[in-house]
Amino acid sequence: KAGVTQTPRYLIKTRGQQVTLSCSPISGHRSVSWYQQTPGQGLQFLFEYFSETQRNKGNFPGRFSGRQFSNSRSEMNVSTLELGDSALYLCASSLTATPQETQYFGPGTRLLVL
Amino acid sequence: SQQGEEDPQALSIQEGENATMNCSYKTSINNLQWYRQNSGRGLVHLILIRSNEREKHSGRLRVTLDTSKKSSSLLITASRAADTASYFCATDAFGNEKLTFGTGTRLTIIP
Repeated sequence: KAGVTQTPRYLIKTRGQQVTLSCSPISGHRSVSWYQQTPGQGLQFLFEYFSETQRNKGNFPGRFSGRQFSNSRSEMNVSTLELGDSALYLCASSLTATPQETQYFGPGTRLLVL
Repeated sequence: SQQGEEDPQALSIQEGENATMNCSYKTSINNLQWYRQNSGRGLVHLILIRSNEREKHSGRLRVTLDTSKKSSSLLITASRAADTASYFCATDAFGNEKLTFGTGTRLTIIP
């Protein structure tokens, strides 16, 4: 069974631009979560989607948004990029949305904002 | 904000030795999980321990949980070079189902 895939793997943008990241979960998984990882803040939860509905949201500004499609694939969008948005963005999928369900992580998208 | 803090932040040991890392958290939890991350890549789930469990084993891994002290420890026995990675604890809490990660311990195994 193929793992979680994320595209693109690397991205360079400039301040003020917008970016869209994509995540394809493991086949059959209906829950997708997104995390931001930086050296200073560590791993921070962004949001979680289950069956196309956002179930949980972290403490990030409205510039960060996401969605999930009927095939469970998910995208996250960051508008008006800031230097501080440079990070590794990780997505994770699981069968259900229960917290004790094992989350399977993708390799991440490394975003650099100049 | 971080729910958990791992201690130590970094640990270097010789191959074959045991490695112990600790996680402390702030609020009551449902479950605590440990994950491994190799060099800025995705995380890999290692083990989950529920709040009503005190100890759990999986291969060379042993996890303990002390809810009275709000702490957990991960022991890796007979370490190997491939164990070099960052290790994170993650908790989900009552009334807050999202997974919250700790700050991580960077483990280096010296061959």
